[in-house]
Amino acid sequence: RKEVEQDPGPFNVPEGATVAFNCTYSNSASQSFFWYRQDCRKEPKLLMSVYSSGNEDGRFTAQLNRASQYISLLIRDSKLSDSATYLCVVNKDDKIIFGKGTRLHILP
Amino acid sequence: DAMVIQNPRYQVTQFGKPVTLSCSQTLNHNVMYWYQQKSSQAPKLLFHYYDKDFNNEADTPDNFQSRRPNTSFCFLDIRSPGLGDAAMYLCATGTGLILGNVLTFGAGSRLTVL
Repeated sequence: RKEVEQDPGPFNVPEGATVAFNCTYSNSASQSFFWYRQDCRKEPKLLMSVYSSGNEDGRFTAQLNRASQYISLLIRDSKLSDSATYLCVVNKDDKIIFGKGTRLHILP
Repeated sequence: DAMVIQNPRYQVTQFGKPVTLSCSQTLNHNVMYWYQQKSSQAPKLLFHYYDKDFNNEADTPDNFQSRRPNTSFCFLDIRSPGLGDAAMYLCATGTGLILGNVLTFGAGSRLTVL
């Protein structure tokens, strides 16, 4: 089983729609969790951290379910500028592991 | 202002000709990472330093070496690049804190092997 697994997509979604991504991780001792965004041929950039209580940043909501070892990202009212690859990231100690990423295309 | 700077941004080398990629940071972070990312794949961790402590991933080939002479700088040496080593190499820094070890990436060095 891969350490961090994501549906690679692509997700083709009309502008204004809501889209959800899921991610599972294999190491139950993982300590912190993040979503990064990566644009084509650019470096990954932090989108948001993920907490057990769930957290929201504008149109973005992230959830963590430790019992199921599952992380989610919800994007509401999607914009054309949301088109990118979304990487699920899991941290244990100082080791950080990336998922393969989910590609999102927002359609006008 | 760029906080993690990688040089060169683009590197073309010949098969077998050694290459060194550099990374510098102004964040004073304890941890520096090197990732390899091929097209449509996840960034793959090659190794990382926590201060001067070197941590090599088990599946990182011996062809890849790293040096961290001080807190600010880290180098990736590819001793004999093969065609399969063509990729984007990403340097990142982190605080190393258990909760909230957020990475800051450099813009990457794209390696082409002829």
